[in-house]
Amino acid sequence: QVQLQESGPGLVKPSDTLSLTCAVSGYSISSSHWWGWIRQPPGKGLEWIGYIYYSGSTYYNPSLKSRVTMSLDTSKNQFSLKLSSVTAVDTAVYYCARTLRTTGAVFDYWGQGTLVTVSS
Amino acid sequence: HSALTQPASVSGSPGQSITISCTGTSSDVGNYNYVSWYQQHPGKAPKLMIYDVSNRPSGVSNRFSGSKSGNTASLTISGLQAEDEADYYCSSYTTSTTVLFGGGTKLTVL
Repeated sequence: QVQLQESGPGLVKPSDTLSLTCAVSGYSISSSHWWGWIRQPPGKGLEWIGYIYYSGSTYYNPSLKSRVTMSLDTSKNQFSLKLSSVTAVDTAVYYCARTLRTTGAVFDYWGQGTLVTVSS
Repeated sequence: HSALTQPASVSGSPGQSITISCTGTSSDVGNYNYVSWYQQHPGKAPKLMIYDVSNRPSGVSNRFSGSKSGNTASLTISGLQAEDEADYYCSSYTTSTTVLFGGGTKLTVL
């Protein structure tokens, strides 16, 4: 059974960098899937942040692209998100997810989500 | 690309059918059969209910069905049950190789 688990600080100061990790179990991230991040501000809808392919290729939301970096750590079977220069609008529940296959951006497995609050 | 457009809320009585629409453009919904639907209960992660417009993952009830016409996709839930009460989000792959989500629809089972 594929399982994803997000981890990282729950509180980040404005202008700092938000860093999250998604640990994957039951499946190798070196297989041909995209591994993505989606966020949800409190009481609002879902927003795609981006995803990274097992080969290391990435696609990011254009509205966040200048601040986002995603990476893979195949030795630990996990992938990571860094979002720089955060402000209060970046406060959200952050989910990591796997795509069903290479095409179509279908997210079939999700982590439980982790709330990140941006505040001084 | 702007977010896909969904109604903010829909409601129905147990046993009835409801349909949630998801309107995009020719650059996303209208260009690919890559529309997905997710169900989200309060405090939980989204769950994939429909992919590729009308395909159901294993384990999802056949009361859930999807369709598409032009730039608008639809999710239909038949035989409404109390457990269907949740938020529903559509998503689509786009010509810019990005992913768009809809704003979400709150389903209330009366």
